[in-house]
Amino acid sequence: EMQIVESGGGLVKPGGSLRLSCLTSGFRFSDYSINWVRQAPGKGLEWVSSVSSGTTNYLRYAESVKGRFTISRDNAKNYVSLQMNSLGVDDTGVYYCARGFDASGGFWGQGTLVIVSS
Amino acid sequence: EIVLTQSPGTLSLSPGERATLSCRASESLTRNYLAWYQQTPGRAPRLLIYGVSSRASGIPDRFSGSGSGTDFTLTISRLEPEDFAIYYCQQYIMFPWTFGQGTKVEIK
Repeated sequence: EMQIVESGGGLVKPGGSLRLSCLTSGFRFSDYSINWVRQAPGKGLEWVSSVSSGTTNYLRYAESVKGRFTISRDNAKNYVSLQMNSLGVDDTGVYYCARGFDASGGFWGQGTLVIVSS
Repeated sequence: EIVLTQSPGTLSLSPGERATLSCRASESLTRNYLAWYQQTPGRAPRLLIYGVSSRASGIPDRFSGSGSGTDFTLTISRLEPEDFAIYYCQQYIMFPWTFGQGTKVEIK
């Protein structure tokens, strides 16, 4: 059974940092890109960042987080992290980890809540 | 980036009725990399449809997807009480992945 579990969310002050974790199981991790998607309270879905499959580790970021967020993956541990620095109130929301698509579809975790507030 | 525009913003229907949701892309999706999600309050998005028309595992056959190019449709043939929710379309043909703004299906 596929599982994706996010953790690391919490309350942080503006300008602070958080590191989100995404732990996966039930699929061949190295074969898939892993993505972060966020949702501000009462708003829609926004793609944040992606790391490519395999060992190429091609990294992509939304313009809104470029230079502040860093994504990385560990294929040996089936794990992806998102280091978030210089957080602002606009970064508040639920952060979802999502596996890339294949012929059977995609898969998302249940999310972790990040609140940026003084 | 590819902009996805969903319509209508809100759809007011009764259980048992048919729902037709639209998603229009700002440029043609040359491959069928279009997905639909359902979201209820406090829950993660649930993948319904991927590849324009393939149902995800466990999704009832009252949900169907269609379309090509720039125009895509999610149809719910007969609304069940648990179907009243917000629906999002998403393109994954290129980065950045983009999502429509959502259509809320509410009970009339």
